[in-house]
Amino acid sequence: GAGVSQSPSNKVTEKGKDVELRCDPISGHTALYWYRQSLGQGLEFLIYFQGNSAPDKSGLPSDRFSAERTGGSVSTLTIQRTQQEDSAVYLCASSARQGLYTFGSGTRLTVV
Amino acid sequence: AQSVTQLGSHVSVSEGALVLLRCNYSSSVPPYLFWYVQYPNQGLQLLLKYTTGATLVKGINGFEAEFKKSETSFHLTKPSAHMSDAAEYFCAVTSTGANSKLTFGKGITLSVRP
Repeated sequence: GAGVSQSPSNKVTEKGKDVELRCDPISGHTALYWYRQSLGQGLEFLIYFQGNSAPDKSGLPSDRFSAERTGGSVSTLTIQRTQQEDSAVYLCASSARQGLYTFGSGTRLTVV
Repeated sequence: AQSVTQLGSHVSVSEGALVLLRCNYSSSVPPYLFWYVQYPNQGLQLLLKYTTGATLVKGINGFEAEFKKSETSFHLTKPSAHMSDAAEYFCAVTSTGANSKLTFGKGITLSVRP
């Protein structure tokens, strides 16, 4: 596609439920990143996929968070047993080379 | 390890005044530096970036930034603010080499007074 696509754009879920957020990167981009944007906290790195290498999971805040990238393309970020502090905008970005990143519009997650 | 410091969370300027948004970085290897802008309810848009070469970088909408290694700074400036510049601005750093994660500052909200 022309850009990075994220779905859903908005998600409201009840505390304790699991959610899945999807990211479709630009075709051919080997790198894919997930970030979380919370009010007053800026953008927090979550996880990074590069080709067939093991992902950099150093930013995942707890074991309730996981992500996978299938076939080197689509990625899914899963949050289990959601908590209110998980409410944020989750941004995905992809990159074909150093220094050039394209961001999606994000998924706004609200946990009630 | 790398980090970005954006002092203050909010800057207010008058229309036509100079815009100066400060960014200091920490990186153990030569950095790539970025400024992104986020308008209300929109995604991140790249304003400008420094990778190698000329240390004064010009971006979109009249913004520019200068990489100063001795000061570990990459401040963003615009000579004359416009109402449409009101947004949140993020400075980010990544290290040179293979594709690497961007580390962002906490962002600065710019308000422009008529």
